[in-house]
Amino acid sequence: GDSVTQMEGPVTLSEEAFLTINCTYTATGYPSLFWYVQYPGEGLQLLLKATKADDKGSNKGFEATYRKETTSFHLEKGSVQVSDSAVYFCALSNSGYALNFGKGTSLLVTP
Amino acid sequence: KAGVTQTPRYLIKTRGQQVTLSCSPISGHRSVSWYQQTPGQGLQFLFEYFSETQRNKGNFPGRFSGRQFSNSRSEMNVSTLELGDSALYLCASEDRLTDTQYFGPGTRLTVL
Repeated sequence: GDSVTQMEGPVTLSEEAFLTINCTYTATGYPSLFWYVQYPGEGLQLLLKATKADDKGSNKGFEATYRKETTSFHLEKGSVQVSDSAVYFCALSNSGYALNFGKGTSLLVTP
Repeated sequence: KAGVTQTPRYLIKTRGQQVTLSCSPISGHRSVSWYQQTPGQGLQFLFEYFSETQRNKGNFPGRFSGRQFSNSRSEMNVSTLELGDSALYLCASEDRLTDTQYFGPGTRLTVL
């Protein structure tokens, strides 16, 4: 079945550091890929998405490119801020079925 | 547009009781999905409703049920609560044009 694998956290970075959170997936067909972010005590917020190979999703300085050849959708940000501290979830949706989430990666950014 | 709303935000119940959670989707969205989030299992799909019909169901026991009303609002019910049902229950409203789900703030259920 479909699955998503994310790098284990927690990830601790200093403010203004470069961020990469790895995400790879296994799926049949052509899934849509998503990154969601969850701040403490809150629900999930859609961060960005991509629906086909080579698409780049971007939002709030975060980017991720749908790489079908490597079945990856890594999240990147050039300069993180303390306010980016949260848990990040990679997810896929195949044929309109339910979202299949990775385990989540906790990010802590220190001043 | 207003976002997805869920009520109540917090619930404390005891084992054996039942509970009903409510979700109002984004206006115009007719598809609602429910997910359970726990530290051990992560985010797991419970079920999806579209136009008052359950379209998909995850791998949960029959104690978990749901329904959707004609105004697209949805409820989920858990009967005979167990300690392991303690979780954050998230509702998502889907924009079917963009195949994107938008989540509510969740209901935190604690079973004692």
